[in-house]
Amino acid sequence: GENVEQHPSTLSVQEGDSAVIKCTYSDSASNYFPWYKQELGKRPQLIIDIRSNVGEKKDQRIAVTLNKTAKHFSLHITETQPEDSAVYFCAASNSGGGADGLTFGKGTHLIIQP
Amino acid sequence: EPEVTQTPSHQVTQMGQEVILRCVPISNHLYFYWYRQILGQKVEFLVSFYNNEISEKSEIFDDQFSVERPDGSNFTLKIRSTKLEDSAMYFCASRVSSAPSTDTQYFGPGTRLTVL
Repeated sequence: GENVEQHPSTLSVQEGDSAVIKCTYSDSASNYFPWYKQELGKRPQLIIDIRSNVGEKKDQRIAVTLNKTAKHFSLHITETQPEDSAVYFCAASNSGGGADGLTFGKGTHLIIQP
Repeated sequence: EPEVTQTPSHQVTQMGQEVILRCVPISNHLYFYWYRQILGQKVEFLVSFYNNEISEKSEIFDDQFSVERPDGSNFTLKIRSTKLEDSAMYFCASRVSSAPSTDTQYFGPGTRLTVL
């Protein structure tokens, strides 16, 4: 089955700086890669996602890049703000293939220092 | 904006008891999921459900677990004989269809299950 590795486990950045979180996946059949933000005690909220036919996607301060050959994808947050502090999870699935349960990484605790 | 809802928010039970966790997916969604998250750990996939049958399940989803869509709105997860290690947050999620542009799974707020 799919295995998703995520690094780092904790990331502390100064407010206004950029943050990068990296994930690798093992199953070449995976074609859908969402990123979820989870605040303490709350539900995971989708912040951005990318499909395997796209190399990069951007939404305001958030971007995701995908390298299918290397089987890794990254989340980039620019101009970080205090409200960006949360745990971020990457995930992968074979969407549309009837086996689309998400396999999550272990999460990155992002801390924005004022 | 429509959201997935779950009840109860917190369930406390004795080891060996049966529990049923309830979810109301977003109304026009066709695909339903259960995930669990042990405190401080990652979210883990349990099962997916479509057209009134299980479409995929993980190793975690053993014979103690079952899912059902008893009516047009509810989606339930039953744990037949709870164990201490079943203590976790259980999230329901739903997705509108299998089309490539509709991959997003929307999560409910979760039910915290505590097994004593």
